[in-house]
Amino acid sequence: QKEVEQNSGPLSVPEGAIASLNCTYSDRGSQSFFWYRQYSGKSPELIMFIYSNGDKEDGRFTAQLNKASQYVSLLIRDSQPSDSATYLCAVNIRDSSYKLIFGSGTRLLVRP
Amino acid sequence: DGGITQSPKYLFRKEGQNVTLSCEQNLNHDAMYWYRQDPGQGLRLIYYSQIVNDFQKGDIAEGYSVSREKKESFPLTVTSAQKNPTAFYLCASSIGGASNIQYFGAGTRLSVL
Repeated sequence: QKEVEQNSGPLSVPEGAIASLNCTYSDRGSQSFFWYRQYSGKSPELIMFIYSNGDKEDGRFTAQLNKASQYVSLLIRDSQPSDSATYLCAVNIRDSSYKLIFGSGTRLLVRP
Repeated sequence: DGGITQSPKYLFRKEGQNVTLSCEQNLNHDAMYWYRQDPGQGLRLIYYSQIVNDFQKGDIAEGYSVSREKKESFPLTVTSAQKNPTAFYLCASSIGGASNIQYFGAGTRLSVL
């Protein structure tokens, strides 16, 4: 059973701080990795995707991938109260065809 | 306006009843997916389809059925065999393949009367 693991949180950070969210995965053959943000009662919204080892930056968000250690992380700089949400990590695996496996999510709380 | 439309937003099911959730996309995506989300949980895959007239079971397909007669549409039927259907149902689509960037509709919240 291929798995994606996340700490459920809540992760509480003060406004303006860096929030660091982590995710580990079991399938060594995975090639693409995603972070989704989900506000309470809403559907997931794509934040970042990453395919290669290293860092990928988009505004205040940085995704980091380390395939050797099988982890992917999301850094949020200058955290804002509006960043308070659940962050879902997803990994693309190949079964009979490609599909995403989701972690259970980390709840982030940014304190004003 | 491009996107994924799910309807209805809220749905109530009576005992022994089948109900159908609609998912339509105008993104010209080949692949479509149905997920179930329970409170405080991640997303679990119910069914997915890479191409018209073909679909595969996900991890929790029992009690559900789908069809893919058109590229734009992937309806999900929650049958009476699904004994615990109360959940948030999410439809997604993507171009598929090794990148598989998925975009989601707004979801349907199903409750049992």
